[in-house]
Amino acid sequence: GNSVTQMEGPVTLSEEAFLTINCTYTATGYPSLFWYVQYPGEGLQLLLKATKADDKGSNKGFEATYRKETTSFHLEKGSVQVSDSAVYFCALSLTFISNFGNEKLTFGTGTRLTIIP
Amino acid sequence: DTAVSQTPKYLVTQMGNDKSIKCEQNLGHDTMYWYKQDSKKFLKIMFSYNNKELIINETVPNRFSPKSPDKAHLNLHINSLELGDSAVYFCASSPRSTVQYEQYFGPGTRLTVT
Repeated sequence: GNSVTQMEGPVTLSEEAFLTINCTYTATGYPSLFWYVQYPGEGLQLLLKATKADDKGSNKGFEATYRKETTSFHLEKGSVQVSDSAVYFCALSLTFISNFGNEKLTFGTGTRLTIIP
Repeated sequence: DTAVSQTPKYLVTQMGNDKSIKCEQNLGHDTMYWYKQDSKKFLKIMFSYNNKELIINETVPNRFSPKSPDKAHLNLHINSLELGDSAVYFCASSPRSTVQYEQYFGPGTRLTVT
């Protein structure tokens, strides 16, 4: 089946440190890949996405590159801020003719990130 | 001007009771979803509706019954609540049913069954 594996948290970093959150996937096909972020007490928000191999998604200083050869979509940021403290979810979806319009997001277990001043 | 709103925000109830959670979106989206997030933050889709029509129904006990009176509302009714139903339930909406469109999540309803 399709699945997403994220690095175990929690991750604690100092402000301005470099961030990497690993995400690898297993899928029967070529999925679209997403990173969602959940700030404390809020619902999830789409952070970035990539729909085909070698695409790079970017937003708010975060980046992730769709690597088909390593089935990975690692999230990176060069210099984190306290306001980046949140839970980050990697997710995938697969689209076939048979399920077009019925696709669903499969989420990883989330990685809690805490940035200390 | 909240985009996706849910009520109530917190719900504490006893085993065996029946309860409902309401969701409304004012974005004009066609598709709405219910997700369950357990205590370990694992997030799983339960249902999705497109223009009031059920399109995704995951393996969810039939004690859970979604209802969409119009495309701006998707309510979740739960019968005979069990301890394992304790979780945060998120409603979401998107312009279309394909996941290439961003999903907008509500703030969640924390359900505690005692």
